[in-house]
Amino acid sequence: EAQVTQNPRYLITVTGKKLTVTCSQNMNHEYMSWYRQDPGLGLRQIYYSMNVEVTDKGDVPEGYKVSRKEKRNFPLILESPSPNQTSLYFCASSPKGTGSYEQYFGPGTRLTVT
Amino acid sequence: QKEVEQNSGPLSVPEGAIASLNCTYSDRGSQSFFWYRQYSGKSPELIMFIYSNGDKEDGRFTAQLNKASQYVSLLIRDSQPSDSATYLCAVNTGFQKLVFGTGTRLLVSP
Repeated sequence: EAQVTQNPRYLITVTGKKLTVTCSQNMNHEYMSWYRQDPGLGLRQIYYSMNVEVTDKGDVPEGYKVSRKEKRNFPLILESPSPNQTSLYFCASSPKGTGSYEQYFGPGTRLTVT
Repeated sequence: QKEVEQNSGPLSVPEGAIASLNCTYSDRGSQSFFWYRQYSGKSPELIMFIYSNGDKEDGRFTAQLNKASQYVSLLIRDSQPSDSATYLCAVNTGFQKLVFGTGTRLLVSP
C-alpha cells in the first residue's frame, strides 16, 4: 500500500529534551515536506526537500532541523523543544514538488512539550 | 494580509443542498490551486486542483478559479453528512511552496 508513515503518532515530552519524529514514504517520491498545524494558523511549512541531500527552509524553520540521507526518509529533529512547539505535525510527499502534483500526507504526530 | 484567506465558518447546509466554499489569495503570480478535505483528527486529502481560469468539475465537486479577482471556490453539489469536514484551500506560490488557508468548517445536517 502506497503511504506516508510517521512515528510516533503521539508524544509528550519536556522542554529541552531532544526528539526526532520519523517520516517514511514508499512511493519513491522526490519531494518531501514537514508542516505544523495550529488552531487559527492553519498548516505552515517547516522544511522541505527536493531530493536526497537537498533541503530548504519553509515558513517556520526556527527550532527545527531536518536531514534527507535516503530518498524514502525525512526525519524532523527538535534539538531543544519548547512549549511553543506543541502542535500537530504532518509529513507529506509528492512525486516532483508542489506545483502540479498532489501531496500525500502522513497520519500526523501530535506533540506536547511541557 | 494573509496570503490565503478563508472564512473559518462553520458553514451549515442541509443534506442535498449546494455548499459553496470560497478562498482568496494575495500573490498574483500563483499558478496552481488545490482543495484539501480534512476530517477531524485526520490528515488532509486532496479533492481537486485547478490551474486555469474557469470551472473544473469532478463528480459532485466543482472548482472555480478567477485569477483576475484572485479567488478560487469549491462547490459541493448534493451535500451529504459525510462531507462534513474542514476544507483547506492551498495555493502554490512558486519555489516549491504550498501556502494553506486556515480552512472552512462545513457542517451538513441530515
